[in-house]
Amino acid sequence: AQTVTQSQPEMSVQEAETVTLSCTYDTSESNYYLFWYKQPPSRQMILVIRQEAYKQQNATENRFSVNFQKAAKSFSLKISDSQLGDTAMYFCAFGPEREIIFGKGTRLHILP
Amino acid sequence: GAGVSQSPSNKVTEKGKDVELRCDPISGHTALYWYRQSLGQGLEFLIYFQGNSAPDKSGLPSDRFSAERTGGSVSTLTIQRTQQEDSAVYLCASSPEPPGPTYNSPLHFGNGTRLTVT
Repeated sequence: AQTVTQSQPEMSVQEAETVTLSCTYDTSESNYYLFWYKQPPSRQMILVIRQEAYKQQNATENRFSVNFQKAAKSFSLKISDSQLGDTAMYFCAFGPEREIIFGKGTRLHILP
Repeated sequence: GAGVSQSPSNKVTEKGKDVELRCDPISGHTALYWYRQSLGQGLEFLIYFQGNSAPDKSGLPSDRFSAERTGGSVSTLTIQRTQQEDSAVYLCASSPEPPGPTYNSPLHFGNGTRLTVT
């Protein structure tokens, strides 16, 4: 069975600090995509960043970057210069299959 | 352009009643998913529609749950004889292409329907 594990249920960091959210997954597939989604209090799920498994280069989107370790099946999200607006639930997700599998999420609080 | 629209945004119902939750995907999106998000839990896959293919119902938790997608567009999730454990946020998402080896399209989510069964 394919699974996604987020081991940090909740985290808090000061504004402007850097924070890393961890994610591990289990699959026998060789070609797949990994995603990080953000869910602010509005409940709207927003794609933050995605990574193709066949690419060795880590994806980067402005202040957001990933550390993708394929052999270790690890896909962590780094948020640099954190901002108050980054406060949200963050979900790691794995695909592609007909069922896109999500982790249980990490609730991130950015403190002023 | 318009995003994924879900209605109602909130629904309170009595135990034993039936409820219908609606999802309007982004126009032209062929893939549509329903997920359930319970308090403190991640997103639990319920059902997946792709074009005119038979839906993948493998995530539906019981036979009280059903869903349909008419004309490849609007989808309705129906929960019969609701139970308190059905209380959750039900999220709908659509994508312009189905998952597969070249899948590169993110899911576009609606704001969800918060269902409370009393």
